[in-house]
Amino acid sequence: GESVGLHLPTLSVQEGDNSIINCAYSNSASDYFIWYKQESGKGPQFIIDIRSNMDKRQGQRVTVLLNKTVKHLSLQIAATQPGDSAVYFCAENAGGGNKLTFGTGTQLKVEL
Amino acid sequence: KAGVTQTPRYLIKTRGQQVTLSCSPISGHRSVSWYQQTPGQGLQFLFEYFSETQRNKGNFPGRFSGRQFSNSRSEMNVSTLELGDSALYLCASSPPSGGGGETQYFGPGTRLLVL
Repeated sequence: GESVGLHLPTLSVQEGDNSIINCAYSNSASDYFIWYKQESGKGPQFIIDIRSNMDKRQGQRVTVLLNKTVKHLSLQIAATQPGDSAVYFCAENAGGGNKLTFGTGTQLKVEL
Repeated sequence: KAGVTQTPRYLIKTRGQQVTLSCSPISGHRSVSWYQQTPGQGLQFLFEYFSETQRNKGNFPGRFSGRQFSNSRSEMNVSTLELGDSALYLCASSPPSGGGGETQYFGPGTRLLVL
């Protein structure tokens, strides 16, 4: 029969606008969080990370916000560019090694 | 510094066969993790090796196994292949602090198709 894929939420933004991608994580014991970007045919590429003792971290054009109370993570991309078009995954690590649990991903589409 | 490399990049097998995938981590990295990515299940953790020992294991059947060599290179093996094993298999390596919770850097993956 036909396989059913995960429903991938899509966020469409205009070039130059800011993008906000949200993620709800599942394990209250998770203490390390990472955002990855995956382009078609490639492996996930590290964007930015944050540890549970912080609630905000900034990189180049990207900011990650962590709200442990509601177990929510967000990625903000400033001045979104066509090259930002990809699937974005959040991942959590609950400690004891490097086992990551990934979210389902969000497809970001940048319109010219 | 060269990134994580995986070989082969593409593979076609038939049901019942076995397959071995290889991963070379970034130089100096000692932790190697494997993930399976499918449209239906997304990215799922298979196992992690650190200093030649399996440190973590995901919820996959025993047909999936791995190992790590003294130079930190890793292999994973899938025996008695099933159609559902068709997936992108990703390897990631982490810097050598050893305590876990380190940033993982991914390779390009091996695309396995089981017919």
